[in-house]
Amino acid sequence: NAGVTQTPKFRVLKTGQSMTLLCAQDMNHEYMYWYRQDPGMGLRLIHYSVGEGTTAKGEVPDGYNVSRLKKQNFLLGLESAAPSQTSVYFCASRVPVQGPSTDTQYFGPGTRLTVL
Amino acid sequence: GQNIDQPTEMTATEGAIVQINCTYQTSGFNGLFWYQQHAGEAPTFLSYNVLDGLEEKGRFSSFLSRSKGYSYLLLKELQMKDSASYLCAVPDNYGQNFVFGPGTRLSVLP
Repeated sequence: NAGVTQTPKFRVLKTGQSMTLLCAQDMNHEYMYWYRQDPGMGLRLIHYSVGEGTTAKGEVPDGYNVSRLKKQNFLLGLESAAPSQTSVYFCASRVPVQGPSTDTQYFGPGTRLTVL
Repeated sequence: GQNIDQPTEMTATEGAIVQINCTYQTSGFNGLFWYQQHAGEAPTFLSYNVLDGLEEKGRFSSFLSRSKGYSYLLLKELQMKDSASYLCAVPDNYGQNFVFGPGTRLSVLP
């Protein structure tokens, strides 16, 4: 099992360019998440999905779009990149449990994005 | 909504014991998670508490007091490899999303 993988690992964009970050998981998890991590601010949720074909906004969704066409993949799009989107992006997946549960999230290795 | 607070940085000596605190405010409670994150790497799961008390797992223990909205992570016999950020997180009311604290960066010195 590869777990959670992210593509690409690094990327440099110019302001206004677009790109898509790919997250893939082979654990058959229903829930998938996209976070960004900035110094001193911890992990902030951008968008999430509780199943194939469903997506929802998190804490900081502006400037991003997502799609979950296949259960194993969760795509994060930046239509017009801005320097404020320079960050490390983590994808995570989790089994479908509601309420108290020991089932944690499993994180991908991250994508380091710089927008000039 | 949820709000989580942790100290930003801590320093300790190899072989010592360190306690990393986390305070939280939630409208509901579905447990509390601790993650470890080494620099440049992804967070990895350390522990989960849903009932009051201490959960011990080797050199690491985690404590929870639901009435006080308080948890701590206790690291014993510190090793250099324990230098990392430690993140406290709580699920939302429906258990779908997690809210993370800012993380505590621990430096272990020789």
